[in-house]
Amino acid sequence: SAVISQKPSRDICQRGTSLTIQCQVDSQVTMMFWYRQQPGQSLTLIATANQGSEATYESGFVIDKFPISRPNLTFSTLTVSNLSPEDSSIYLCSVRENEKLFFGSGTQLSVL
Amino acid sequence: QQPVQSPQAVILREGEDAVINCSSSKALYSVHWYRQKHGEAPVFLMILLKGGEQKGHEKISASFNEKKQQSSLYLTASQLSYSGTYFCGTEMGGGSNYKLTFGKGTLLTVNP
Repeated sequence: SAVISQKPSRDICQRGTSLTIQCQVDSQVTMMFWYRQQPGQSLTLIATANQGSEATYESGFVIDKFPISRPNLTFSTLTVSNLSPEDSSIYLCSVRENEKLFFGSGTQLSVL
Repeated sequence: QQPVQSPQAVILREGEDAVINCSSSKALYSVHWYRQKHGEAPVFLMILLKGGEQKGHEKISASFNEKKQQSSLYLTASQLSYSGTYFCGTEMGGGSNYKLTFGKGTLLTVNP
């Protein structure tokens, strides 16, 4: 199964700043996904990041707020821009391998 | 369309059985089950593809009723290690339209 390294594991940011989260996979994967999970809640898909094309965003998520890069088949970044306290959440990257989803360990973001 | 999970929470004593249900209002291509322990990433348990199959993994098994658009996760002779939040994830498209939508989760607590 794919091994995913996600960093940072947690961060505390000031309102109005941005945070970039990195996701590194130990094998080449076509499909990578970014999820948000608010405390005690379900996993909500932010966007699908495919290498060589623009990310596909889900309803309620826009590129200006959540720009994504996918420069190659093993790496992706998610930036959460113009932070507000409502952005405080856990952000998870995941990859699809053999129909299954594997998740990174998550980034816990707190916005003051 | 978010699948509906029930129950929201269940408390068991070690050795007891539990059933967690997941239903969708739309036709499904596959159903996935994941377990997430507190502070950790979700971990894949099993996938059930269109076709009404039933799968098992030690004392955890699942069924998928395609006609009813429902899946059930069966945990038998529960162990303390089974504690966590169980999420079902549903996929409607298959193939390159892969997108997993998760239910709100079922919190399972197994006590000694």
